[in-house]
Amino acid sequence: DAGVIQSPRHEVTEMGQEVTLRCKPISGHNSLFWYRQTMMRGLELLIYFNNNVPIDDSGMPEDRFSAKMPNASFSTLKIQPSEPRDSAVYFCASTLGLGTGELFFGEGSRLTVL
Amino acid sequence: SQKIEQNSEALNIQEGKTATLTCNYTNYSPAYLQWYRQDPGRGPVFLLLIRENEKEKRKERLKVTFDTTLKQSLFHITASQPADSATYLCALDSGNDMRFGAGTRLTVKP
Repeated sequence: DAGVIQSPRHEVTEMGQEVTLRCKPISGHNSLFWYRQTMMRGLELLIYFNNNVPIDDSGMPEDRFSAKMPNASFSTLKIQPSEPRDSAVYFCASTLGLGTGELFFGEGSRLTVL
Repeated sequence: SQKIEQNSEALNIQEGKTATLTCNYTNYSPAYLQWYRQDPGRGPVFLLLIRENEKEKRKERLKVTFDTTLKQSLFHITASQPADSATYLCALDSGNDMRFGAGTRLTVKP
């Protein structure tokens, strides 16, 4: 099993540019989470999906952030336009279903906005 | 508002000793509490899960306790080794979402 796959691993962009982060969950997992990690704020929950449907996006910081899950094997997190304060490591995690326990994390996408 | 607090940012101990990490929470009724390990540049990795009706759980050198009255979990690593050096995160699972504490960075010195 390949685990949760995220791309890109690293992204450096300039303020105002659009950023798209991608995630492929583990096959058979029905729930997917997006987190953002910074030194100041730790690991923050941004949004999560169950059976491809967004359940709670109250953690999405602003309208500049959007997330989609068009099918069970793919999700995107988009930031448009990006700002320097969006610089962080973004993690995707999947699990069999809500409340079933263990989350499996990807290796993260490190975003730097200049 | 909901809060998850881990006792300290950093903990340094000597090899062979027991490391004890604390996770406290407020305004939360978790169905489960989980502990994860995170190494630099990597994603968190699951270690242990304890349910709200369980008092204690063990796995090899790891032990977790869960006190829903105190709203606290303790995470112990016995006979610690330098390879245990990492950041440890507690997570509260409501049965829907999962939210994490800021983590405690553990350093085990030889």
